[in-house]
Amino acid sequence: ETGVTQTPRHLVMGMTNKKSLKCEQHLGHNAMYWYKQSAKKPLELMFVYSLEERVENNSVPSRFSPECPNSSHLFLHLHTLQPEDSALYLCASSQEIHTNTGELFFGEGSRLTVL
Amino acid sequence: QQQVKQSPQSLIVQKGGISIINCAYENTAFDYFPWYQQFPGKGPALLIAIRPDVSEKKEGRFTISFNKSAKQFSLHIMDSQPGDSATYFCAAKGGGSQGNLIFGKGTKLSVKP
Repeated sequence: ETGVTQTPRHLVMGMTNKKSLKCEQHLGHNAMYWYKQSAKKPLELMFVYSLEERVENNSVPSRFSPECPNSSHLFLHLHTLQPEDSALYLCASSQEIHTNTGELFFGEGSRLTVL
Repeated sequence: QQQVKQSPQSLIVQKGGISIINCAYENTAFDYFPWYQQFPGKGPALLIAIRPDVSEKKEGRFTISFNKSAKQFSLHIMDSQPGDSATYFCAAKGGGSQGNLIFGKGTKLSVKP
């Protein structure tokens, strides 16, 4: 496996379910990110981790709970979501936090549908 | 002030034509301007980037033009090919080492054969 891998690729859940999204990066990077991608909207940064420490939480509702057990893995725990949370959730990594080159390496995303 | 405005929302170009996507920003502290390309079912990938001390950067058929005084930058795709059909995002990075990437809304490009 190379790059950034996200699982599952597709997820359908009810509003009362609890599920988790997983991200793994094989690039040896120190920073990992969760982004939300909705149609006709800019990519929205949700969480930033640097060396497993959360350094940013952009006013994301508490029904989204991130976890970074080590620098290679990132999870997004989901519970009691709303239909408007349906979107593509992208994980990304970079060599270091707020990399000066601006280069983020993205996974293919997890398409979430909340019924 | 943290927004990056991108236009057009969608673009249809004939094969061999020039595709032009424009972006504008307000924050003069932005110091790095990358473009990302996203194919259906894939995550965005860095395509080309420019810093404000340069007015133009070219990589193959892709060129970024940067107008610092107007706070605008654009992506030009020369000799557009059907394989270039994708969504393109411009972005801007905050000043110094503490900034996050701010993305535009994206432009869906379709290149017709």
